[in-house]
Amino acid sequence: ELKVEQNPLFLSMQEGKNYTIYCNYSTTSDRLYWYRQDPGKSLESLFVLLSNGAVKQEGRLMASLDTKARLSTLHITAAVHDLSATYFCAVDRSERMNRDDKIIFGKGTRLHILP
Amino acid sequence: DTGVSQDPRHKITKRGQNVTFRCDPISEHNRLYWYRQTLGQGPEFLTYFQNEAQLEKSRLLSDRFSAERPKGSFSTLEIQRTEQGDSAMYLCASSSTTGLAYEQYFGPGTRLTVT
Repeated sequence: ELKVEQNPLFLSMQEGKNYTIYCNYSTTSDRLYWYRQDPGKSLESLFVLLSNGAVKQEGRLMASLDTKARLSTLHITAAVHDLSATYFCAVDRSERMNRDDKIIFGKGTRLHILP
Repeated sequence: DTGVSQDPRHKITKRGQNVTFRCDPISEHNRLYWYRQTLGQGPEFLTYFQNEAQLEKSRLLSDRFSAERPKGSFSTLEIQRTEQGDSAMYLCASSSTTGLAYEQYFGPGTRLTVT
């Protein structure tokens, strides 16, 4: 059974600092997603990573995927208060030839950026 | 098209009552997913449809839960004889099997409170 673990689960950091959120998963997968969720809101898609070595960047956020290590990272550069939210990684459990796109979520990392 | 919509956004019900939620996916999306999210957790998969066919149900979906997507467009999720443990945010997502990423787009959710 696919399991997805994120760490840390809670992170409080100062504006202007850099930090990395880690996402480990237990079985082979070729798709990994990062979502953002603000309190009381739904999930906003940030990144879709489709292959080993994939790196995507949007503003101060950069996500990478190492399928051999079953690890993805979400790096925050020079954090600003607006990035405060909960960040989820989710992994597609599908086999290549039998894709149903069922994704398994981690517990989320609650990020609080202090002004 | 403005994205995935869900109705109602909030529902308060007494234990033992039945409730029904509706999800309208992005119009060209053929896959529709239901998730449940409790406080401090990531979304948990409940069930999904491809067009009108329900292809998988999670073991989380007890006999009190039923979902339909009668014409392959909107979907309903009914919970019979609600219990306090059913209190959660119910999220709907849709995706398309054309294209590469099959990215899931989430609706705003229905927050259920069972008293």
